[in-house]
Amino acid sequence: GENVEQHPSTLSVQEGDSAVIKCTYSDSASNYFPWYKQELGKGPQLIIDIRSNVGEKKDQRIAVTLNKTAKHFSLHITETQPEDSAVYFCAASNWGSGTYKYIFGTGTRLKVLA
Amino acid sequence: EADIYQTPRYLVIGTGKKITLECSQTMGHDKMYWYQQDPGMELHLIHYSYGVNSTEKGDLSSESTVSRIRTEHFPLTLESARPSHTSQYLCASSDPGALYYEQYFGPGTRLTVT
Repeated sequence: GENVEQHPSTLSVQEGDSAVIKCTYSDSASNYFPWYKQELGKGPQLIIDIRSNVGEKKDQRIAVTLNKTAKHFSLHITETQPEDSAVYFCAASNWGSGTYKYIFGTGTRLKVLA
Repeated sequence: EADIYQTPRYLVIGTGKKITLECSQTMGHDKMYWYQQDPGMELHLIHYSYGVNSTEKGDLSSESTVSRIRTEHFPLTLESARPSHTSQYLCASSDPGALYYEQYFGPGTRLTVT
């Protein structure tokens, strides 16, 4: 079945450094790729997303890149801050094809060290 | 902040008890979802609904059942709780008619079965 692989499972960076999380999806029909941040004791919250007709999207310190040929997409966080510490999930979806489900990656626990 | 609510937030209950986890949203979304989250972080879809009187099983087999009698309400029931049901349960909703395909998550219910 469809799956999304996410790496690394844990990531520690020094404050101010960059963090990169990578995902690979299997379903070539996927057209929507969101990234979620989950803080302790809370539900996941969307931080950025990208659709298959776009190769890159940026929102302040966060950016996402998509390589459809390789079926890879990545989250880039620059100038990391302690409040970026959380669990991050990528997801892929073939949204609007009659299905409205995500396939989530396994999560990355990011620690930003002060 | 998403207008999606889950109660209770925490529940400790004995084996064999019947429990219902409540999920409500005030956004008028027709798509709703239940996820089970491992201690190891992974999110597993256990049930979803595309509208009133529509429910489907998700990718992970679950002994729980759901109902969707009203658009805003999507409760999950366990007829006889077991220690293996101990987990975090997250409810989400989405509006695929909107510009964005975001799933909005509730804060979760942490269930412990003793």
